[in-house]
Amino acid sequence: SQQGEEDPQALSIQEGENATMNCSYKTSINNLQWYRQNSGRGLVHLILIRSNEREKHSGRLRVTLDTSKKSSSLLITASRAADTASYFCATDALAGGTSYGKLTFGQGTILTVHP
Amino acid sequence: GAGVSQSPSNKVTEKGKDVELRCDPISGHTALYWYRQSLGQGLEFLIYFQGNSAPDKSGLPSDRFSAERTGGSVSTLTIQRTQQEDSAVYLCASTPATHNTDTQYFGPGTRLTVL
Repeated sequence: SQQGEEDPQALSIQEGENATMNCSYKTSINNLQWYRQNSGRGLVHLILIRSNEREKHSGRLRVTLDTSKKSSSLLITASRAADTASYFCATDALAGGTSYGKLTFGQGTILTVHP
Repeated sequence: GAGVSQSPSNKVTEKGKDVELRCDPISGHTALYWYRQSLGQGLEFLIYFQGNSAPDKSGLPSDRFSAERTGGSVSTLTIQRTQQEDSAVYLCASTPATHNTDTQYFGPGTRLTVL
């Protein structure tokens, strides 16, 4: 089963608006990553947040992590039509205090930005 | 520099045939991962290679699936006696870190269709 659960499953907004996607997970993690996928093919890494971090920024992206609630959010500000894609969170779980980079992905959020 | 490459980009095969999917990781990356993305299951981890260590095969769905990594570089995922439920996009990723706690770089994937 997927550790990461994302909501909403689909999000439709106008250009210039902000888009927020949420991810919840179940186990202890080493880090949480967000990826973007266009047209069902290659995944592009967006941002990685470690378990000891609470917030991270990269350009128009802002990621938060709340390990007590086992949740993360991805905010895309001032969205553009080119941001239209599927967005996935992925967790690198801890097993016995060690992680191996075996990512567990959420089901994804389909974001549509209308021009 | 060159990213992760995969071949073929698309593969159509008949049920019962064997297929081989190839992944060329980024040069110097020590860890290599295979995932698959299917409509019903989302993105799933399959197998992980780290250097010369024995691979972690915990995600392989059946004994029809196998993978090898020659010389610590190129990897081949083999599916024997393919079934229709094997239809999916097979994604390969590599990472440079010896502790595998960093960003994974994904290839464009191979779309496998089993008729």
